[in-house]
Amino acid sequence: GQQLNQSPQSMFIQEGEDVSMNCTSSSIFNTWLWYKQDPGEGPVLLIALYKAGELTSNGRLTAQFGITRKDSFLNISASIPSDVGIYFCAGLNGANSKLTFGKGITLSVRP
Amino acid sequence: DTEVTQTPKHLVMGMTNKKSLKCEQHMGHRAMYWYKQKAKKPPELMFVYSYEKLSINESVPSRFSPECPNSSLLNLHLHALQPEDSALYLCASSQDEFNYGYTFGSGTRLTVV
Repeated sequence: GQQLNQSPQSMFIQEGEDVSMNCTSSSIFNTWLWYKQDPGEGPVLLIALYKAGELTSNGRLTAQFGITRKDSFLNISASIPSDVGIYFCAGLNGANSKLTFGKGITLSVRP
Repeated sequence: DTEVTQTPKHLVMGMTNKKSLKCEQHMGHRAMYWYKQKAKKPPELMFVYSYEKLSINESVPSRFSPECPNSSLLNLHLHALQPEDSALYLCASSQDEFNYGYTFGSGTRLTVV
């Protein structure tokens, strides 16, 4: 089946630093999504990407939909303590209604 | 209204109990979903409803029974659960099944004792 690869499993950064997360796949996706999840809460949609090559920003967050439609990255600039959480990439291939999730990256921000 | 509302937030039930989880959205979304999530894992799809009809059942045991009374509501009826069914149950909705980002609710933390 389709898989999305996110690594590493955990990232540790200093407050104020920028961080970049990648998500790759061997399959093509038509829609790429980035979610953040806090403990005990549901995932919150950060950025949705619908066109290959698309670059979208949401405050300090920037995400890009790769030209090959097989990858995406998320950048967080000037990190703050509330950026702590699990970041999932997810994709839809347009052919079925199964949202494929990556395994997630746990981000820790040291004050 | 841009939210998916789930109730209750927490539920503890015995293995012989019957309970229901509820989900509501008023965004006009026509697809609604149930997911199960274990700690530190991504959500796993259980059921998909599209235009109030069940379109996907991911081989979920029959002790979980979904229901979509109307386009805004989604229920998950629980009966004779096992302790390994303890998890965070998430409801989500989207404009359609195939192309748009999903909005998730905050989830119901279910503990089966």
